[in-house]
Amino acid sequence: EVQVVESGGAVVQPGGSLRLSCVVSGYTFSNSWMTWVRQAPGKGLEWVANIKEDSSEEYYVEPVKGRFVISRDNIKTSVYLEMNYLRAEDTAVYYCATQIVGALGFDHWGQGTVVTVSP
Amino acid sequence: SFGLTQPPSVSVSPGQTATISCSGDRLPKQYAYWYQQKPGQAPLMIIYKDTERPSGIPDRFSGSSSGTTVTLTISGVQAEDEADYYCQSADIIGVVFGGGTRLTLL
Repeated sequence: EVQVVESGGAVVQPGGSLRLSCVVSGYTFSNSWMTWVRQAPGKGLEWVANIKEDSSEEYYVEPVKGRFVISRDNIKTSVYLEMNYLRAEDTAVYYCATQIVGALGFDHWGQGTVVTVSP
Repeated sequence: SFGLTQPPSVSVSPGQTATISCSGDRLPKQYAYWYQQKPGQAPLMIIYKDTERPSGIPDRFSGSSSGTTVTLTISGVQAEDEADYYCQSADIIGVVFGGGTRLTLL
């Protein structure tokens, strides 16, 4: 059984930083792109970033470019999201998900971790 | 990147058929994916590559594609299908989700 578990969510002040972690088990982690998706309270899903199997490519949604960094450790089967210069609009549930091998959809999701940016 | 447009809401009686559309200019060139999300839960993939159904997803869920529109069809809607549904696609530089459709049972 595939398990995806996020952690690291917290309440942080505007301008602050936070690092989210995601551990994947029961899955061939090193063969899959990984992604972060967020959902603001009462809103829809928004893709945030993804990273290739060997970390050679990363992509970000425009509002987080230059502030967020995605990384991964294939030995620890983990993916991370370093978030800097946080803004109120970054408040959301952050989901980690595995990407279907050879495709651009997301087949296994964690339960999410909550990030609240507030004074 | 490009946008995907879904109706905000769809209502249907139990046992009837629900259709949810998703439109986007890049859809003729890129696959679409569909997710179901119930309150307080993570999204669940229910259709991938326009028409394929992951194992464990009931066969009352089906997907189709025509030009710039993809469609999710739920045949014989059940009470447990009441949820938000999102389409998703991608291009070379990013991923995009539709705004979501809330399926409500009458």
